[in-house]
Amino acid sequence: DAKTTQPPSMDCAEGRAANLPCNHSTISGNEYVYWYRQIHSQGPQYIIHGLKNNETNEMASLIITEDRKSSTLILPHATLRDTAVYYCIVRVDSAGGGADGLTFGKGTHLIIQP
Amino acid sequence: KAGVTQTPRYLIKTRGQQVTLSCSPISGHRSVSWYQQTPGQGLQFLFEYFSETQRNKGNFPGRFSGRQFSNSRSEMNVSTLELGDSALYLCASSLKAGVADTQYFGPGTRLTVL
Repeated sequence: DAKTTQPPSMDCAEGRAANLPCNHSTISGNEYVYWYRQIHSQGPQYIIHGLKNNETNEMASLIITEDRKSSTLILPHATLRDTAVYYCIVRVDSAGGGADGLTFGKGTHLIIQP
Repeated sequence: KAGVTQTPRYLIKTRGQQVTLSCSPISGHRSVSWYQQTPGQGLQFLFEYFSETQRNKGNFPGRFSGRQFSNSRSEMNVSTLELGDSALYLCASSLKAGVADTQYFGPGTRLTVL
């Protein structure tokens, strides 16, 4: 699986949009971009994923650049409960070959300020 | 639909003992993966089970083992516990295996080895 680079921490004001960047310059054509978050001492929570196109769900939007070398997770109206570590992961589609499981890097510690 | 459940939530053991952790996946999910999370090493993949068969294994010693039952419930066992085994053990389930399928995590079991 390709590696990702994320800023170690970010602040965002409550009610504003939080934009979390992720670089994955070595991503290959069959790798998806996944975002998870983990609130302290809880299990990681799935947020969103995509391959090429931008994606949106009830939690967030995912913007993937045309060359797929970077992406941005957008939380449109951040709340205090969004304070967590956010992980950007690229995962190979390994149909038939078996996956090595998710590899989480250090992630971005997003702190929502009141 | 109920989420992934793990039991027990907290466990204290002493060196040399063994421990068994349990995971019940989301109903209908057939793939179960186990992870170890520590502050120093982050989230590390232990193994993945699908239809009662171990499909993949991470880089952990043979003291770490697992199994999956016909109802997709899974257990992992750690024998001859060491201090370094103290960690949050996370279980994740997904509908399918071998593809970039979304994994849903349980709350984890916090194991402390004294």
